[in-house]
Parts: sequence; C-alpha cells; structure tokens
Amino acid sequence: DIQMTQSPSSLSASIGDRVTITCRASQTISSYLNWYQQKPGKAPKLLMYAASSLQSGVPSRFSGSGSGTDFTLTINSLQPEDFATYYCQQNYSTPWTFGQGTKVEIK
Amino acid sequence: VQLVQSGAEVKKPGASVKVSCKASGYTFTTYYMHWVRQAPGQGLEWMGMINPGGGSTNYAQKLQGRVTMTRDTSTSTVYMELSSLRSEDTAVYYCARQSRLAVAFDPWGQGTLVTVSS
Repeated sequence: DIQMTQSPSSLSASIGDRVTITCRASQTISSYLNWYQQKPGKAPKLLMYAASSLQSGVPSRFSGSGSGTDFTLTINSLQPEDFATYYCQQNYSTPWTFGQGTKVEIK
Repeated sequence: VQLVQSGAEVKKPGASVKVSCKASGYTFTTYYMHWVRQAPGQGLEWMGMINPGGGSTNYAQKLQGRVTMTRDTSTSTVYMELSSLRSEDTAVYYCARQSRLAVAFDPWGQGTLVTVSS
C-alpha cells in the first residue's frame, strides 16, 4: 500500500496568513493526488484534484502543487472558515490511501 | 447531487451492520460509489467501491471477507454490510461518489455512526 505522510500534523495561524501543508507519498504517484477539507462533525469536502486542479466552487485562495512524491496545499490569506483538518489522498493505485491529516487552528 | 445515509447503529461484537446510501440528482449507474470510514478522532480509511452499473466491487484487502457492498438500481441505493464486528470497527461510515474528473470523492453522504459495544 502507498503510505501518505502529511506535515505538520497541526499548525496555528492567524487570519490573513499564508499556510502551506505538505504531503509525501511512499512511492511516486505522478499527479494522482487529491486534497480534502473536513470540519468537525461534517463529511470531508473535495478541494483539489490531480494535485493542482481546483474543484468547482472552491475559493481561489486554495492552490495545490507537486508531482511524483512531494505535494503541497497552500491557503493564501487564511479566512475564518478555513480552520479545519486537511487530508491528502492518493488515487494512483488501490487501496486509495489518505494522509493522517493536518489540523489548522486559530492562533 | 445528494447522498443520504441511514441512521446510527449500535451493535454487539460479532454482529453485522448494514448501512444504506440513497443517491439522487444524477444518473445512479454512471458513477462508482466508495465507502470511507473514520474512527473517533482518527483519519480516513478507504473501505472499497462498487460500480452501481454492473455491481462489480473492489474491497480493501484489510476488510476482505468481512465487507460486502451491493446496490439496488430501482431505488438508487448502495449498501455496505460489515460482519464479525469488533470494537475497532466503531467509526463514522461515509459513502462518497467518485468524481467525474478523477478518482476523487465528491460529494459525500452525511455519515453514519456505527458503535460496537458489548
């Protein structure tokens, strides 16, 4: 199975900050990488697919990059509604696997 | 597009649970459906997927032999049954439709809490 490792596991940031979350795959996955946002008590929401494509309806302050084994999710100008947990997920090979999550908290 | 799941369940160890996910707002047979679970305070675990068109399935090896996914095209509903339940199966279970553009999950059902306790 492909292991996905996110860093950091949590971070504190202020409104307006730029936040970067990293996801590393245990083997190359090309650009088969998706990002999700999950708020407490809610189902995850798809933010990005194919590493850098923004899902319809997602604000443009979210962006993704990377290929191979290293990927990043960037949130420019953090907003109050962005405080949540973020997960990466590889769709290169089954079983589809997720990172352990990165919790973005208010500083 | 909407996915509506069945309600919370409490089961004893060794029992089985069957969770439903009713789809609406799109052609049911066109998109794969996946099941993902999340133990309390933990991350996301992909359990498997079903092709509602033909009924074929692909399960996570970890759950092989205990999980069964089926569908009813007449009601646009998929089902996930997990048997031989143990305490480690306590989790919120989500159904999620495969995206049109990638093997990504969008949208998701609201989740069904399954509690396994003696």
